[in-house]
Amino acid sequence: DTAVSQTPKYLVTQMGNDKSIKCEQNLGHDTMYWYKQDSKKFLKIMFSYNNKELIINETVPNRFSPKSPDKAHLNLHINSLELGDSAVYFCASSQVPVIDNSPLHFGNGTRLTVT
Amino acid sequence: AQSVSQHNHHVILSEAASLELGCNYSYGGTVNLFWYVQYPGQHLQLLLKYFSGDPLVKGIKGFEAEFIKSKFSFNLRKPSVQWSDTAEYFCAVNVKGNNRLAFGKGNQVVVIP
Repeated sequence: DTAVSQTPKYLVTQMGNDKSIKCEQNLGHDTMYWYKQDSKKFLKIMFSYNNKELIINETVPNRFSPKSPDKAHLNLHINSLELGDSAVYFCASSQVPVIDNSPLHFGNGTRLTVT
Repeated sequence: AQSVSQHNHHVILSEAASLELGCNYSYGGTVNLFWYVQYPGQHLQLLLKYFSGDPLVKGIKGFEAEFIKSKFSFNLRKPSVQWSDTAEYFCAVNVKGNNRLAFGKGNQVVVIP
């Protein structure tokens, strides 16, 4: 019973391509997130959605576009991929948008390699 | 700038040794504090958290952490590590009422059998 599941686990693609990463949570949480973990293992938030509404949009190139068709899903679409986009992308969810008493639950990550 | 600092990024120790990982933050105001663990090839899992009350927090697998408000610190400890504790450990801070969780750069811990 995977709580937060991401697909694919690995994604290798060439520069300039467009790709998507999917995320689904079966925890009944209202809030979902995308985090990027760079080569130095530094985790940084990219986006957050609460009940399909965008509530956090950090300084991320507009080539990255999140889509939340419902509160259990948050997909990440990346246009015109660049070498610097290579990273591990983690999806996460929490019960409510305010983290008080509502820790994040993470997916297994998607390792994106751009060649 | 506001940040979360973890030092000694690489830690190598033998089984049964004691482990202490430091975490300092520079955020003002009231904070929630977390330690997450990432075992090789797995997702981040919550190890323990502090929201309020007793500053000494006990988590899973024998880990504990102590919040020292005057030092802006939330250090993680385990008295006797096992080989299975080999993992990456991340400290994270959330300012109360805010839904952003800021992570430190992590500590890579390798326990030698």
